[in-house]
Amino acid sequence: DQQVKQNSPSLSVQEGRISILNCDYTNSMFDYFLWYKKYPAEGPTFLISISSIKDKNEDGRFTVFLNKSAKHLSLHIVPSQPGDSAVYFCAADSQGGSEKLVFGKGMKLTVNP
Amino acid sequence: GAGVSQSPRYKVAKRGQDVALRCDPISGHVSLFWYQQALGQGPEFLTYFQNEAQLDKSGLPSDRFFAERPEGSVSTLKIQRTQQEDSAVYLCASSLVLGGGPQHFGDGTRLSIL
Repeated sequence: DQQVKQNSPSLSVQEGRISILNCDYTNSMFDYFLWYKKYPAEGPTFLISISSIKDKNEDGRFTVFLNKSAKHLSLHIVPSQPGDSAVYFCAADSQGGSEKLVFGKGMKLTVNP
Repeated sequence: GAGVSQSPRYKVAKRGQDVALRCDPISGHVSLFWYQQALGQGPEFLTYFQNEAQLDKSGLPSDRFFAERPEGSVSTLKIQRTQQEDSAVYLCASSLVLGGGPQHFGDGTRLSIL
């Protein structure tokens, strides 16, 4: 049973537009959520996180929204740039911080010039 | 070092051989994690350490998998009598303290079992 789900395998957007990446989870014990970005042949790079006590966290072009009642989070990238093209992973933790992360399968974002 | 360092980057072994994968965490990071990533999947948790103590090894697939971190810094993941289903990318991550921020990943070791 997959506890963290990224239901769309891919997304293609135009440079300068908004990219919205979605993630759903089933375990109500999760209280800390992270987004990672991964280029081919490299390890995941941490992007942004959010604690369950918040519903929004922003860092530059990246904003993460958390809807606890719907068990849903999303990552917004505005404006999208070609260098954002990568695989994005949603991850969750149930210890309020960084312990055993549960990852989604990932979503490939392509930003077209 | 500046980031998590893993070696080797690529490892090819014949079925039945033993392999050892090394991870050098970010200097000063207390917690160290191992994940396994199969093709087209997200990373899956294997085990983690706080300093030299292995606090959770619930994700290790079988008793052929063994991890250690004897001095609380460098860690080694050992796989004995490798099988084809062990082929995957093995990722190591570290974080400053347990429950204190995101995990930072190395570039992984791609293991191929022939």
